[in-house]
Amino acid sequence: GAGVSQSPSNKVTEKGKDVELRCDPISGHTALYWYRQSLGQGLEFLIYFQGNSAPDKSGLPSDRFSAERTGGSVSTLTIQRTQQEDSAVYLCASSFNSGGAGTQYFGPGTRLLVL
Amino acid sequence: AQKVTQAQTEISVVEKEDVTLDCVYETRDTTYYLFWYKQPPSGELVFLIRRNSFDEQNEISGRYSWNFQKSTSSFNFTITASQVVDSAVYFCALSGGVSGGYQKVTFGTGTKLQVIP
Repeated sequence: GAGVSQSPSNKVTEKGKDVELRCDPISGHTALYWYRQSLGQGLEFLIYFQGNSAPDKSGLPSDRFSAERTGGSVSTLTIQRTQQEDSAVYLCASSFNSGGAGTQYFGPGTRLLVL
Repeated sequence: AQKVTQAQTEISVVEKEDVTLDCVYETRDTTYYLFWYKQPPSGELVFLIRRNSFDEQNEISGRYSWNFQKSTSSFNFTITASQVVDSAVYFCALSGGVSGGYQKVTFGTGTKLQVIP
């Protein structure tokens, strides 16, 4: 079946504007994750959803960042009042939880550039 | 707290050479999972392998092999007879069962492998 999809693939915005990033997980995957990857860096965990609830929001860098998931499927990551340091690739992953650590499958990412 | 260390930032090898990517992890969990992912220049992370802490058998998949040693908290990845298509950033990752929660995966900082033709 289809893999994880993300949109838009690229986003250029001006400082201070709000942006919404979308993630469509693999059908049937109950868990969904957002990560941020700055240029040449590793992955920074942002938030994890199990179904529609987010038991772990510990990685959100500030209150300008929020995320929601509806219907146990699509998730939206919103960044308000964007700053230049928000420029990064935002990666979404999904997994099917089977009692152990479900393998996460990643989408292609959204490249965000804040001018 | 969980931690994954990939001490090699960048490695360059000539095509057909063997190369080993090191991964050392720290966790207080007795049950945990280890992963390797490949991130080619296109950017999309590709899952390579998952190994649970109870299974220390080494694994081979084609030119890829993994050596899991609990005694040294290492999960190293070897590519035999490297090819240009192996050029990518490789991430090692850890998911714990108690302190980290199964679902939170801690990634290493990655090793950039360049295979020169």
